[in-house]
Amino acid sequence: DGGITQSPKYLFRKEGQNVTLSCEQNLNHDAMYWYRQDPGQGLRLIYYSQIVNDFQKGDIAEGYSVSREKKESFPLTVTSAQKNPTAFYLCASSVIGAGNTIYFGEGSWLTVV
Amino acid sequence: QKEVEQDPGPLSVPEGAIVSLNCTYSNSAFQYFMWYRQYSRKGPELLMYTYSSGNKEDGRFTAQVDKSSKYISLFIRDSQPSDSATYLCAMSVQGGSEKLVFGKGTKLTVNP
Repeated sequence: DGGITQSPKYLFRKEGQNVTLSCEQNLNHDAMYWYRQDPGQGLRLIYYSQIVNDFQKGDIAEGYSVSREKKESFPLTVTSAQKNPTAFYLCASSVIGAGNTIYFGEGSWLTVV
Repeated sequence: QKEVEQDPGPLSVPEGAIVSLNCTYSNSAFQYFMWYRQYSRKGPELLMYTYSSGNKEDGRFTAQVDKSSKYISLFIRDSQPSDSATYLCAMSVQGGSEKLVFGKGTKLTVNP
């Protein structure tokens, strides 16, 4: 089945550690995105990429890093520089173009302990 | 003024009720309007998509866009317990999907 696969679903991290969240899509979409969702805050864009080996910062990129070495994959690293990393992280993808809807994965819950 | 405003609720209705969910926005350049449904601890799924003004119906769901009032609505007829979820509105201007702006979501509970 076509879709977006995020892993792991739940992740615990100690303070000071980096952690990488995986995102793979088989929809043949060119664009991929990472969002963060906090209670009462809505969805906030962290990074997005429209082509392999290129990506752009979103609204809250500080403390995060990404790579796009393959069209299908867009991993997100939450670094120790992110001051409040506990959140629900959503990966998404879309066809490039005006008004194209984005499709989301099932999300990854990150808890810093 | 925030770009997109959405009443967070929570909204609780009996089964069979008509539900109205709304968003207002300030950017008159928005052209594309979407509603997503998000079940607890899941990713959002696209429910309705509308371009510019007008109505769109899909089964029990109707999306309305009133650009003159900068107001969009999602109506759910004959609501079911399975409709219990958080509903997110989203909208964008003529541009890429990276410019999608989301509301904060309204949590709906439909009681059997």
